[in-house]
Amino acid sequence: DPKIIQKPKYLVAVTGSEKILICEQYLGHNAMYWYRQSAKKPLEFMFSYSYQKLMDNQTASSRFQPQSSKKNHLDLQITALKPDDSATYFCASSQDSWQGNTLYFGAGTRLSVL
Amino acid sequence: GQQVQQSPASLVLQEGENAELQCNFSSTATQLQWFYQSPGGSLVSLLSNPSGTKHTGRLTSTTVTKERRSSLHISSSQTTDSGTYLCAIVSSAGNKLTFGIGTRVLVRP
Repeated sequence: DPKIIQKPKYLVAVTGSEKILICEQYLGHNAMYWYRQSAKKPLEFMFSYSYQKLMDNQTASSRFQPQSSKKNHLDLQITALKPDDSATYFCASSQDSWQGNTLYFGAGTRLSVL
Repeated sequence: GQQVQQSPASLVLQEGENAELQCNFSSTATQLQWFYQSPGGSLVSLLSNPSGTKHTGRLTSTTVTKERRSSLHISSSQTTDSGTYLCAIVSSAGNKLTFGIGTRVLVRP
């Protein structure tokens, strides 16, 4: 059974709309992250959370807002979607917030913005 | 900014052959990890190796921290090894993983 669940697996959206990507982890980890992988680009760090608090934000745009309702949840709300937002978004977790710890990834949500 | 460069970009192997993948990085790393991304996209951590040599199964990683490089050796390749191998570092200046673009490996039967 997957220990990090991302929903949905695929998502198609129209430009200007808003979507929420869901992530839940059942590893008992204290830190959670969002990464983005665009075509022909390296996996890119977006956010890190530890004990539901934002630790680091490397996303330039305020259109991306993480939301943590529980310690094992870290959703990603994206507003005013643009075609350039098309990418696969990976949620990850680790025991604590030092990213040198082993990172476990979800299966990703592939977002296409038309 | 810090960069992680991987080579070769892609590699084709005949089953049973060995391969060596390279990772070079531009800043001092406090941690270095190798990941495997399957053709379907899923990501799995293979091993952490900030310095020295580490083995897991048919994989051996050697990191020379002072020279800012790491290698991943795959021995006796199998078709199931096909996928993309990603190198990532945590620099001494921060606390986020920076990834390379990966080496795509295809192992033919």
